[in-house]
Amino acid sequence: EAGVAQSPRYKIIEKRQSVAFWCNPISGHATLYWYQQILGQGPKLLIQFQNNGVVDDSQLPKDRFSAERLKGVDSTLKIQPAKLEDSAVYLCASSASSSWTSGNQPQHFGDGTRLSIL
Amino acid sequence: QQPVQSPQAVILREGEDAVINCSSSKALYSVHWYRQKHGEAPVFLMILLKGGEQKGHEKISASFNEKKQQSSLYLTASQLSYSGTYFCGTEHGIQGGKLIFGQGTELSVKP
Repeated sequence: EAGVAQSPRYKIIEKRQSVAFWCNPISGHATLYWYQQILGQGPKLLIQFQNNGVVDDSQLPKDRFSAERLKGVDSTLKIQPAKLEDSAVYLCASSASSSWTSGNQPQHFGDGTRLSIL
Repeated sequence: QQPVQSPQAVILREGEDAVINCSSSKALYSVHWYRQKHGEAPVFLMILLKGGEQKGHEKISASFNEKKQQSSLYLTASQLSYSGTYFCGTEHGIQGGKLIFGQGTELSVKP
């Protein structure tokens, strides 16, 4: 099966600019996650979708970050305006878990987008 | 709330064994283990569920102590390909797989 697709792989922008990342999950996976991974740390969940609905966005900095999954398939994550502290790898993952079950299904990660803020 | 992994780093020779631990201050519903090589995506290794069910690869084993809120990953007869950073992700209720990841354990296997 095709894996989780993300683009772009790399992005360099200046602070205060905007940027968007795209993710296409594994076909049939209802749950999609966006993570931020700062160098040397574990992935930190930003937002979790179940189909096209938001399950958890408690750690999403909503003054500058937004995400959508309009048709319940692919998703975009946007940062506007970017800050130096947003430099990180942004990972998208999908799983066959649903919000009313436990995490008894593995998460499949994309290769991520490495974002550098100048 | 973030689980604590130990050790932070370990260096092995091929064929040696290693244990990586993951401890949580909150009750655990499930524990997931992933391995990430530099510049690559995390790759699924193992899921341990409350009640004892496990899902994962045959060559990797793990334990889950619900009372102690701990999990351990056992790597036996290590190979060069085992090198990477190992992360545990903990789930604390029926939340559709919402995981909190530890800070990682860097494993280096030398020839």
